[in-house]
Amino acid sequence: GAVVSQHPSWVICKSGTSVKIECRSLDFQATTMFWYRQFPKQSLMLMATSNEGSKATYEQGVEKDKFLINHASLTLSTLTVTSAHPEDSSFYICSAKPPYGGRAFFGQGTRLTVV
Amino acid sequence: RKEVEQDPGPFNVPEGATVAFNCTYSNSASQSFFWYRQDCRKEPKLLMSVYSSGNEDGRFTAQLNRASQYISLLIRDSKLSDSATYLCVVNDRDDKIIFGKGTRLHILP
Repeated sequence: GAVVSQHPSWVICKSGTSVKIECRSLDFQATTMFWYRQFPKQSLMLMATSNEGSKATYEQGVEKDKFLINHASLTLSTLTVTSAHPEDSSFYICSAKPPYGGRAFFGQGTRLTVV
Repeated sequence: RKEVEQDPGPFNVPEGATVAFNCTYSNSASQSFFWYRQDCRKEPKLLMSVYSSGNEDGRFTAQLNRASQYISLLIRDSKLSDSATYLCVVNDRDDKIIFGKGTRLHILP
């Protein structure tokens, strides 16, 4: 089946630094990818929709200048958490839908810890 | 009204029992529906798709009621390994994927 690869699976960074998370669709082209965040014991919350070749669409309450999304190719979307702070520590996960429809496929997720 | 609503639980169910979850969605134009399972600190994994005609996979049965805008998941003969969080997922017309908050299930030995 279709595979979405996310990297890194975990990262620890110092407060104030930036962290980039990659999401790749390995065997299909994804014009749209989604980025989610999940805090402990809470649900997955959609942060933004990443559109290839255009600006991402952010959900209400998500700072677009803090969470930079780049969907430069049909197989790669990146999420950069800029000037990370401890409150940004969370589980970030991406998903992508194949162009032929059906269900979305998820990356493995990235556990970010900001110290 | 929230886009996708689920009872958060937890549901504490003895092994071998039958348990059912419901999920309601607000957007009548939603196009596809899924149940995902998420284990602690792991990514969600597809359990099954949900169709109006119903969908059965072994001990799991999913149903969609478009008129009432809800979907259900039934687990029969529950196993200890069924303990997880079950996420209701709705795909709207714009391909946006919306998750419910999840229902936690604990199967008790």
